[in-house]
Amino acid sequence: AQKVTQAQTEISVVEKEDVTLDCVYETRDTTYYLFWYKQPPSGELVFLIRRNSFDEQNEISGRYSWNFQKSTSSFNFTITASQVVDSAVYFCALNGGGSEKLVFGKGTKLTVNP
Amino acid sequence: AAGVIQSPRHLIKEKRETATLKCYPIPRHDTVYWYQQGPGQDPQFLISFYEKMQSDKGSIPDRFSAQQFSDYHSELNMSSLELGDSALYFCASSTPAPGLSSYEQYFGPGTRLTVT
Repeated sequence: AQKVTQAQTEISVVEKEDVTLDCVYETRDTTYYLFWYKQPPSGELVFLIRRNSFDEQNEISGRYSWNFQKSTSSFNFTITASQVVDSAVYFCALNGGGSEKLVFGKGTKLTVNP
Repeated sequence: AAGVIQSPRHLIKEKRETATLKCYPIPRHDTVYWYQQGPGQDPQFLISFYEKMQSDKGSIPDRFSAQQFSDYHSELNMSSLELGDSALYFCASSTPAPGLSSYEQYFGPGTRLTVT
C-alpha cells in the first residue's frame, strides 16, 4: 500500500525566513510519481510540482525548491525568503503502479507572519 | 487559461436528500477524478473516469454514483445524504503528457457540501 507522511502538522515562521516542509513516502512500486499541492485559505488545490521516481534531480522554481532522495524515501519542499502569501496548507501526494489516484499526506499548515 | 469548472460552488442539503455535483474538465482533458476532503482532512480519492469509462475506484460509498458524459463532463450523484457527507468535493482533470504515464491533475475550486 502507498502512504505519505507529513510529520509537521503546523509550522509558523516570520516573513523572509526559509522553511522546509518534510514528506516521507512508502510504496512498493518501482515506478511512481510524487507531487506537491498548495491549498490556500480560499480552498482550491494548486498544483506545484510532479517528480517521477527515476528523476532524482533537485528542482528550483523561483523561491521554491524540492529535494528528492530515494535512499530516504523523502521529497522535501523548501520555500526561501517566505512571504505572507505563502501561508497555506501544503500537501505531498503520491501515485504509481499503474493507478492515477493520488494518495495525499495529512498536510502541513504553514503560517507566515509579517 | 481555462480551468476545471465545478458547480455549484456551495450546496446545502438536509439529511436523506439527494445532491448532484457537476464537473467540467479543462478542454481536451479526457480523464476526470473525484476527491472528497472532510474538514481538516486530506483529500480522499473517490472515483475516476477515462474516456467515459470508470478507470479507478476508491473509497466511494455505495450511496454515491458518478459518470462521465460524451462531452467529458462528469457528475457525482449522492443519495441518502448523511451528516458525515459534509465536505469539500474536488474534481480534477488530466490528459496524457508525452513520455509520461502519470499525468498532472489539475483541480477545480471544489463544491462545498453541507448536510444539515
